[in-house]
Amino acid sequence: AEKVIQVWSTASRQEGEELTLDCSYETSQVLYHLFWYKHLLSGEMVFLIRQTSSSTAKERSGRYSVVFQKSLKSISLIISALQPDDSGKYFCALWERSNYNVLYFGSGTKLTVEP
Amino acid sequence: GPKVLQIPSHQIIDMGQMVTLNCDPVSNHLYFYWYKQILGQQMEFLVNFYNGKVMEKSKLFKDQFSVERPDGSYFTLKIQPTALEDSAVYFCASSFDWGNTLYFGAGTRLSVL
Repeated sequence: AEKVIQVWSTASRQEGEELTLDCSYETSQVLYHLFWYKHLLSGEMVFLIRQTSSSTAKERSGRYSVVFQKSLKSISLIISALQPDDSGKYFCALWERSNYNVLYFGSGTKLTVEP
Repeated sequence: GPKVLQIPSHQIIDMGQMVTLNCDPVSNHLYFYWYKQILGQQMEFLVNFYNGKVMEKSKLFKDQFSVERPDGSYFTLKIQPTALEDSAVYFCASSFDWGNTLYFGAGTRLSVL
């Protein structure tokens, strides 16, 4: 079974709008981290934001923020004031505190932002 | 953010040949990783490496694969011999510690003909 699920494979918005990207995950661990990465057209995989399971803080980094619903095992990435440069593929990833130092990725959502 | 460099960006080789993918991780990072992404699919873990040793590897890390980081130089993934199904983008990553954020390179696209 997939550990990380991103239901939407594609999304498109207009410049200036706000977007929410959803991700659900499966874990039995108490401590885990969730990450959002952006895959650029250049090939670079850029770290955006991280949420720790034990944190109740609403994580934010610039125009990126997350909505973490621990009981639902869901984390959403919100991108505000979209720009054409926000176009790319966004991946959600899970790291569990277990014997394994492995990051599990979702299948990604490809975002297109139209000017 | 911290940069991981991968060389080359694209490698084309004939099936059966050996290939070495090079990665220059973030300078103070201690954990190193290789991930594989077949076109259109998700990134999958291959192997992690710490203190000169492979710590964990997945079933994708076949016997033909090996990794090393001699004397703090490049962290390398060697495939010998290559097979058609090895065609993919290979991403290198590094982190400072266990459970810390992984920083990725831009990947090496390997095409096995």
